[in-house]
Amino acid sequence: QQQVKQSPQSLIVQKGGISIINCAYENTAFDYFPWYQQFPGKGPALLIAIRPDVSEKKEGRFTISFNKSAKQFSLHIMDSQPGDSATYFCAASGGSARQLTFGSGTQLTVLP
Amino acid sequence: GAGVSQSPSNKVTEKGKDVELRCDPISGHTALYWYRQSLGQGLEFLIYFQGNSAPDKSGLPSDRFSAERTGGSVSTLTIQRTQQEDSAVYLCASSLAGGISYEQYFGPGTRLTVT
Repeated sequence: QQQVKQSPQSLIVQKGGISIINCAYENTAFDYFPWYQQFPGKGPALLIAIRPDVSEKKEGRFTISFNKSAKQFSLHIMDSQPGDSATYFCAASGGSARQLTFGSGTQLTVLP
Repeated sequence: GAGVSQSPSNKVTEKGKDVELRCDPISGHTALYWYRQSLGQGLEFLIYFQGNSAPDKSGLPSDRFSAERTGGSVSTLTIQRTQQEDSAVYLCASSLAGGISYEQYFGPGTRLTVT
């Protein structure tokens, strides 16, 4: 059972545009929602994360929007740059072990 | 400061051989996780260590997989009698303290190819 669903699978955006990636979760025990950025041949790098007690968190050009009632959260990348081209994973965790359950990933391409 | 390191970066092995993958977590991080990244299954949790507690092995796909953590620091993931479906990137992550700090930092991974 896939507990975190991510869309779209791939996304092409023009430089300066807004990239939006969406995730939905099923397990109501999840209480921590990070986003990771991964470049080819590298491990995932923590980008930004949110707890369910807030509806939005912004760090620079990256914003997470969180809708607890809908069990959905999304990543917005403002003023997208070619250097943002990478694979983005949403994830969720909860309980004592805190292991991450990942979405399937979105391959973002920002055209110059 | 130093991040999570993993070795080897690449490993090619023959079907049926055993392999050992190593992870050095960030200094001071008491929680350590192993994940597997493959084309068909995405990123999936394998095993979790927290301090001196018994590991959470709930994600291990078969009894051919095992892991240990010595001295609360370095961890080794062992795959016995490797199969072609074991081919994947094995990622290690560490966290300051499970249940207190949720941020997990990943190493570069070990790419395992079983021929």
